[in-house]
Amino acid sequence: KQEVTQIPAALSVPEGENLVLNCSFTDSAIYNLQWFRQDPGKGLTSLLLIQSSQREQTSGRLNASLDKSSGRSTLYIAASQPGDSATYLCAARKGFGNEKLTFGTGTRLTIIP
Amino acid sequence: SQTIHQWPATLVQPVGSPLSLECTVEGTSNPNLYWYRQAAGRGLQLLFYSVGIGQISSEVPQNLSASRPQDRQFILSSKKLLLSDSGFYLCAWNLDRGHEQYFGPGTRLTVT
Repeated sequence: KQEVTQIPAALSVPEGENLVLNCSFTDSAIYNLQWFRQDPGKGLTSLLLIQSSQREQTSGRLNASLDKSSGRSTLYIAASQPGDSATYLCAARKGFGNEKLTFGTGTRLTIIP
Repeated sequence: SQTIHQWPATLVQPVGSPLSLECTVEGTSNPNLYWYRQAAGRGLQLLFYSVGIGQISSEVPQNLSASRPQDRQFILSSKKLLLSDSGFYLCAWNLDRGHEQYFGPGTRLTVT
């Protein structure tokens, strides 16, 4: 059974710093991995989808990497801004079988102005 | 472009009452549809998913049921709510497993 872990559960950094969020998964037979952000009381917003054949994906100040062999993905945020404050979740999709994502419990990020 | 709607946005219901939450997707055809619950301080739990009209897979035995009467409509129901059904219910869709999954704005359900 796939397990997805995100450590730390919470992180505070000063505005302007670059930061890395971590995501670990136990079963390397994934099809893809998706990063989301969730603002309080809101739904999830998709940030990046990285396929199992890819090493990284970029969107603006965000860069996601994937290392299947080690069961790790990272989300790099450059030049952090207060608007980046949110909970960030990663989710891994199985390599075969049904369509479901397995979610981590998230990292709550606070950017200090 | 595609959009996903959920209603109501918030709901307060007494224990034992019925429930019906609705989700619709616009701008696409034959999406996979999902219902999740997010309880306070806990992660996202997949409740149901559907790959087509009338095709429902249940992930967790519980007090809830789901139906897909139309291609882009997904309904979450209960005949009698329990206190433990309180939470934030999220609907989501994607085209297939190779594509991004998109979420709706959610419904906050409080069972009193």
